[in-house]
This record gives sequence, structure tokens and C-alpha cells, in this order.
Amino acid sequence: KAGVTQTPRYLIKTRGQQVTLSCSPISGHRSVSWYQQTPGQGLQFLFEYFSETQRNKGNFPGRFSGRQFSNSRSEMNVSTLELGDSALYLCASSLAGQHNSPLHFGNGTRLTVT
Amino acid sequence: GDSVTQMEGPVTLSEEAFLTINCTYTATGYPSLFWYVQYPGEGLQLLLKATKADDKGSNKGFEATYRKETTSFHLEKGSVQVSDSAVYFCALIGGETSGSRLTFGEGTQLTVNP
Repeated sequence: KAGVTQTPRYLIKTRGQQVTLSCSPISGHRSVSWYQQTPGQGLQFLFEYFSETQRNKGNFPGRFSGRQFSNSRSEMNVSTLELGDSALYLCASSLAGQHNSPLHFGNGTRLTVT
Repeated sequence: GDSVTQMEGPVTLSEEAFLTINCTYTATGYPSLFWYVQYPGEGLQLLLKATKADDKGSNKGFEATYRKETTSFHLEKGSVQVSDSAVYFCALIGGETSGSRLTFGEGTQLTVNP
């Protein structure tokens, strides 16, 4: 069974640009969550989608948004990039949501903002 | 709000040494507790979990017991291997504040030397 796939693995963007990250969950998983990992702040929850609906949202500004498609694939968008958005962005999928079933993480997308 | 505190790292051990990584949590309600491991260049993998007080999670020689009286979930392994070198994260879910989102500790870098 294929794992969680995140594309691209690496991205370099300039301040002010926007970026879209993609996540394909494990087949059959309906929940997709996104986390930001930085050396200073550690792992922070961005949002969770379940069956195309945002079910939970972390404390990030509105520049961070996401969506989930009918095939459970998810995208995350960051607009008006800032230097502080440089991070590893991790996507995780689960069968029934974070609280009810284990999370399976992808290898992440490393975003560098210059 | 809910929080997780891990012992400061990095931790450096010789092969076959005993490992303890301390983890304490603050949460109301009845959270579930987890240990995740992150190898270089990869996402997080679930190592073990415990869903209620006095539960012991175990996997690959690692163990942790959910201690409600001391609000702790310390990770232990009797004999570490070089291949155990990684970053270890303690996490909780289901506290009254965090709800259905994972709250992570800062992570502890473990290096095992041959």
C-alpha cells in the first residue's frame, strides 16, 4: 500500500509570492492534516480536513489555507509568503481523523522563502 | 492550554546503553499519548501509543507507560542500537483544549554511537 505522498519535496520561493503544496493520502483514508515544522516553534498544527470539510484549524493567519478534494487529496496554499514561512510542511492522513486512528505522515515539503 | 514538555537534548549514548527520554504533559480531560520518531529526511512515524491511565505502549523494544498521577509518559529502551538514532517526539491528543489536534513536545535528538 502506497504511503502518504507529498509534492514537491523542495520549493524555493521569494517573499510576497504564493505557493501550493500537495498531499495524496493513503488509499481509503478520509482525513488529512497539515503540520508546520520549524527549529524554533517545533511542530504546529495547521488544519485538518475530513471528507472535503475543514474540521479543525490551528492558530495560523488567513494567508494559510487548504482544501480537500473528493478523492481525499489535499492542497495547502500560502499567500504573500514571508521569510518566517520557511519550514518543513508535513501532511498526515488517517482513516477516521486524528482522534480516532493513527496518523501516517508523508516525508514533507521543504519550503524556503528568500 | 494543553502542552507537552520533553527532556532537553541532544542525547548521546553508546550502543547497548539504556535509554530514557522524559515526557510530561499538561492537559485536562482524558488525552491519549503518543511517541513519534523522525529519521533524517523523513516524516514522523508512530512508535507507540497509550489511550488511558496505566496503559503501556510498546514497539520495537521501546516502552512507555501512561502515568496520570505524575502526568508523564517517559520513553525507555533497554539496549539502543545505532539505527535508533533519530528525533523522538512525545505528543497528546484529546485534551479539553487541544481536542482533535495533536500537540507535540519539542523533540529530543538521540545519537547512538557504535
